[in-house]
Amino acid sequence: AQSVTQLGSHVSVSEGALVLLRCNYSSSVPPYLFWYVQYPNQGLQLLLKYTSAATLVKGINGFEAEFKKSETSFHLTKPSAHMSDAAEYFCAVSRRTNAGKSTFGDGTTLTVKP
Amino acid sequence: DAGVTQSPTHLIKTRGQQVTLRCSPKSGHDTVSWYQQALGQGPQFIFQYYEEEERQRGNFPDRFSGHQFPNYSSELNVNALLLGDSALYLCASSLAQGSGNTIYFGEGSWLTVV
Repeated sequence: AQSVTQLGSHVSVSEGALVLLRCNYSSSVPPYLFWYVQYPNQGLQLLLKYTSAATLVKGINGFEAEFKKSETSFHLTKPSAHMSDAAEYFCAVSRRTNAGKSTFGDGTTLTVKP
Repeated sequence: DAGVTQSPTHLIKTRGQQVTLRCSPKSGHDTVSWYQQALGQGPQFIFQYYEEEERQRGNFPDRFSGHQFPNYSSELNVNALLLGDSALYLCASSLAQGSGNTIYFGEGSWLTVV
C-alpha cells in the first residue's frame, strides 16, 4: 500500500520569500513521486516528478523537490514566491509500473501575501 | 495536439439519478484513469481502463462503473446518486508503457447532487 502525508494544510508566505511545502510518503516498493498544482476551478497541472533518476528534481515555474529516501520525504521548494504561485498543491505517489494509479495527499493551500 | 478533454464541465443531478461523464485522452495515450476529488480533499483513484478493460479499481462501490472504447475514450457512470457523490471528477490519460509514466489530467467535470 502507498500513502502520502502533506504536513500543513495551509501555508502562508510573503512575496519573495522561500516556499517550502512538505510531503512524506509511504511505499512498500520504489515509488514515483509527483507534485501537482491546482488553481481554482481547474484540473491538475504537473509541476515535477521523481522517476528514480536525479534525486533533485527541477520543475516548472521555478519549483524543485528533493527525494530523500532515508527520510521518505519529497518536499517542494521555490526560492522566491510570486503572487501567481497562490494555489492548491498536491503531492502524489505511485508504483513505477503504473503512474495512472496515484495516491494523493490532502493538499496544501499556498497563500502569498504582498 | 489536444490534451485530455472532459464533458460535461458542470452538471446537476437529483439523488437516485444516474450520470455519465466522458473523457477523451491525450492523443496517442491508451490508458484512462478516473479520480474523484471531493471539496477540500485530494483526488481519489476510482478505476483505470486499458485495452477496453478495467485494469485497476480503487475503493469505490459498484455504483461506479466505466467503459473504454476502441478509440481509447472512456465513460464513467454513476448509478443511484447520493449527495456524497458531489465532487470534481477528473480523468487522466497515460501510456501503458514508456514516457516516464507521465499522466495528464483534464479540467474535470463538476457534479452536484441535490
